[in-house]
Amino acid sequence: AQKITQTQPGMFVQEKEAVTLDCTYDTSDPSYGLFWYKQPSSGEMIFLIYQGSYDQQNATEGRYSLNFQKARKSANLVISASQLGDSAMYFCATTSYNTDKLIFGTGTRLQVFP
Amino acid sequence: DTGVSQNPRHKITKRGQNVTFRCDPISEHNRLYWYRQTLGQGPEFLTYFQNEAQLEKSRLLSDRFSAERPKGSFSTLEIQRTEQGDSAMYLCASSLGQGAATDTQYFGPGTRLTVL
Repeated sequence: AQKITQTQPGMFVQEKEAVTLDCTYDTSDPSYGLFWYKQPSSGEMIFLIYQGSYDQQNATEGRYSLNFQKARKSANLVISASQLGDSAMYFCATTSYNTDKLIFGTGTRLQVFP
Repeated sequence: DTGVSQNPRHKITKRGQNVTFRCDPISEHNRLYWYRQTLGQGPEFLTYFQNEAQLEKSRLLSDRFSAERPKGSFSTLEIQRTEQGDSAMYLCASSLGQGAATDTQYFGPGTRLTVL
């Protein structure tokens, strides 16, 4: 069965600094996807970034990048130049070619301070 | 706005009552998913549709829960005889249905259910 582990319940970062949110995954499927979502206090899950298991390069989307280390089964999210609006819960999730549902971790609460 | 929409945003009900939630996916998306999220946890999968066909249901989806997507467009999730343990955020998501672990799901704002 697939599993996502996020070991950081909370993180603090100062505005304009970079921060890394950890995610490790467990899957036996040869083809899978890794996703990061942001959930502000309003509750909506906002898609941030996607990494495919066969992608050779790390995914980037603006200030977000995904540090994908396949051998270590890690998919850490890096947010550069943090902004106050980045304060939210962040969830790592995975899916695979033979199951279409997302499996989520327990999330990391990020707080950005001035 | 052409994103996923959900109604109502909030629902308070008494134990034993039936409730129904609606989800309107992004118009060109074939797949529609329902998830449930309790406090301090990540969302958990409930069920999903490919067009009007319900392809998978979680064991979390007891016989009190039923979901439909009659014309392959909007979907409804009904909970009969609600219990306090049903209190949660119910999230709907949709995707193009590309499969092969590349399909990005886009979520709606959720319906927060409180059962008194």
